[in-house]
Amino acid sequence: QKEVEQDPGPLSVPEGAIVSLNCTYSNSAFQYFMWYRQYSRKGPELLMYTYSSGNKEDGRFTAQVDKSSKYISLFIRDSQPSDSATYLCAMEGLTGGGNKLTFGTGTQLKVEL
Amino acid sequence: DTAVSQTPKYLVTQMGNDKSIKCEQNLGHDTMYWYKQDSKKFLKIMFSYNNKELIINETVPNRFSPKSPDKAHLNLHINSLELGDSAVYFCASSHLGRALDTQYFGPGTRLTVL
Repeated sequence: QKEVEQDPGPLSVPEGAIVSLNCTYSNSAFQYFMWYRQYSRKGPELLMYTYSSGNKEDGRFTAQVDKSSKYISLFIRDSQPSDSATYLCAMEGLTGGGNKLTFGTGTQLKVEL
Repeated sequence: DTAVSQTPKYLVTQMGNDKSIKCEQNLGHDTMYWYKQDSKKFLKIMFSYNNKELIINETVPNRFSPKSPDKAHLNLHINSLELGDSAVYFCASSHLGRALDTQYFGPGTRLTVL
């Protein structure tokens, strides 16, 4: 079983829908949580990060962390065709030895007109 | 200007060959990484260097050897290529390599081993 689990999708929604993307994790040492967006044939780019339980909002995006349940979510409001991409959750612990990210497998999202 | 660049973008080669992938960053970052992304989009760290010093070395076959001539470059050499090495390899960099440092990824090198 992987340390970070993520539904691979694909997830197809109509334009304007609210999208919910989720990850669960098993390692209690994870303290920092990130969402990366990866367009087809491109490298991942950081979308949002958070390091505490609760919500963090940035425009149409809201990241939510529930450490007690080991569950994180990314919500996208008023989804646009330009949001079509693969969304990867990533996590990092406080262990020494550098800035090591553990990724989920990614959820492929398609927003249709 | 491209922040993190990789060459080549595509690499098709035969089993048993040796190949190298080059990575350069112009962000002035101290830390660089190599990741492997398999056909199911699973992205896994392979190596990390901070100021030319190896920091992270995951369970990767000895056939893979990173080389950092200076802190702006991190190359990946692969000996005796196998079918299972086919994947997209991403280089990334971050400022200091500390927790919550944003990692900036290159465009990837798509390696196909025949």
